Amino acid sequence: QQPVQSPQAVILREGEDAVINCSSSKALYSVHWYRQKHGEAPVFLMILLKGGEQKGHEKISASFNEKKQQSSLYLTASQLSYSGTYFCGTEAPDNYGQNFVFGPGTRLSVLP
Amino acid sequence: DAGVIQSPRHEVTEMGQEVTLRCKPISGHNSLFWYRQTMMRGLELLIYFNNNVPIDDSGMPEDRFSAKMPNASFSTLKIQPSEPRDSAVYFCASREDTSYYEQYFGPGTRLTVT
Repeated sequence: QQPVQSPQAVILREGEDAVINCSSSKALYSVHWYRQKHGEAPVFLMILLKGGEQKGHEKISASFNEKKQQSSLYLTASQLSYSGTYFCGTEAPDNYGQNFVFGPGTRLSVLP
Repeated sequence: DAGVIQSPRHEVTEMGQEVTLRCKPISGHNSLFWYRQTMMRGLELLIYFNNNVPIDDSGMPEDRFSAKMPNASFSTLKIQPSEPRDSAVYFCASREDTSYYEQYFGPGTRLTVT
C-alpha cells in the first residue's frame, strides 16, 4: 500500500522552514526519503530504521514514529537548491530487505 | 564510479513496436529495480531483482512487459507490443544487499509511444 504524504505542495521563501509528513496504514520497518529535481532522477536523502538508527544527509533531519507509522522530514533555513519533489518510501516487515513503496510526493518550491 | 547507466536516454516509437530499455547497475550492487514514472501514477516499482533473480514482479503492468537480468552487470526491460499509455520515464536503480543502503537511480529513459 502506498504511503500518504502531506502536504501535496508547499511554497517557501528562502530561509523559511518546512515539514513534510509521510504516513502508512501498515507497520513499518523503515522509511526512506528521496528528492527529485525537475527532469532528473531521484536522489537519496535519508533512511530511518525501526529502533532509531538513521543514515543520511547532514543538513536534513527526520523523525520516525514507529507506533504511529509516521515519518516527518524537516527542512530548516531552506535554500533555493531545496526545490524539488520529495518522496518517502516505506518498507514493511513482511518485505524487509526487498523493496519498498514510494509515496505520491510533495512538491517544494523555494522562492528568493 | 560511473553510476547506474541507462540506454537509450530517449526513445520515440510507434504503437505496436517492440521497445527494449537497458540498464547497467553499479558494480558490486546486489539489487536492481525498474521503476516507471508518470504524472498520473507517480513513481511505480515494476520489478525487483536480487542477485539476478526476480523477487517481486507484481508491479509489471501486463504480459506485454518483461524484464531480464542475465548477469550482475546488465538488465533489460522489454515492452512488446508498445502502446501510447506506456509513455513514461523509466528508471533503473541499484542497491547494495540490504535495505540499509540507499538506491542509486540511473538518469532514466524517456519513452514516447505515438
